[in-house]
Amino acid sequence: KAGVTQTPRYLIKTRGQQVTLSCSPISGHRSVSWYQQTPGQGLQFLFEYFSETQRNKGNFPGRFSGRQFSNSRSEMNVSTLELGDSALYLCASSSGQAPYEQYFGPGTRLTVT
Amino acid sequence: KNEVEQSPQNLTAQEGEFITINCSYSVGISALHWLQQHPGGGIVSLFMLSSGKKKHGRLIATINIQEKHSSLHITASHPRDSAVYICAVAGLDSNYQLIWGAGTKLIIKP
Repeated sequence: KAGVTQTPRYLIKTRGQQVTLSCSPISGHRSVSWYQQTPGQGLQFLFEYFSETQRNKGNFPGRFSGRQFSNSRSEMNVSTLELGDSALYLCASSSGQAPYEQYFGPGTRLTVT
Repeated sequence: KNEVEQSPQNLTAQEGEFITINCSYSVGISALHWLQQHPGGGIVSLFMLSSGKKKHGRLIATINIQEKHSSLHITASHPRDSAVYICAVAGLDSNYQLIWGAGTKLIIKP
């Protein structure tokens, strides 16, 4: 099976812009979770989508949003970018059912200048 | 108190040493995960376990459900093992979310 893919791998944006990141899960997986990782911080959970519905949400402002398509591919959008949004954004794919083993993509490194 | 605690936070050892990283948790779980992240890299799942012990190459993971504790061991450590090792648990009441430890940064010196 192909692994989890994320595009783009690297992105540079300026403050105030918006950005869309994409994640394609492992074939057959219905759950996609998104995480933000900043230097010195652990993984911060953003949200999880399962069968096109947001099933869980972390404590991020409304500027962070996502969606999932019928083929399980997911997109994450960040509007009105701030310098503090510079981070590695990781998505993880799973079947969505116990025991919830997650397979991570390589991440998208976003730099906001 | 965090629901998942890892120790140590940082560990530096010489090549060839036996390494142990610990993870303690305070919630009921359906499974515990060990993951590895190399500097600047993505995350790789090493083990998922709900009981007993698993071994893959030089890596061994054990879990004691009664004591709510897991250990990750690395035998004959090598500089390429240098990475951050993260413990995460699938809590029974966490609505499918994983609860993450802060990670252990391991450096193996040649």
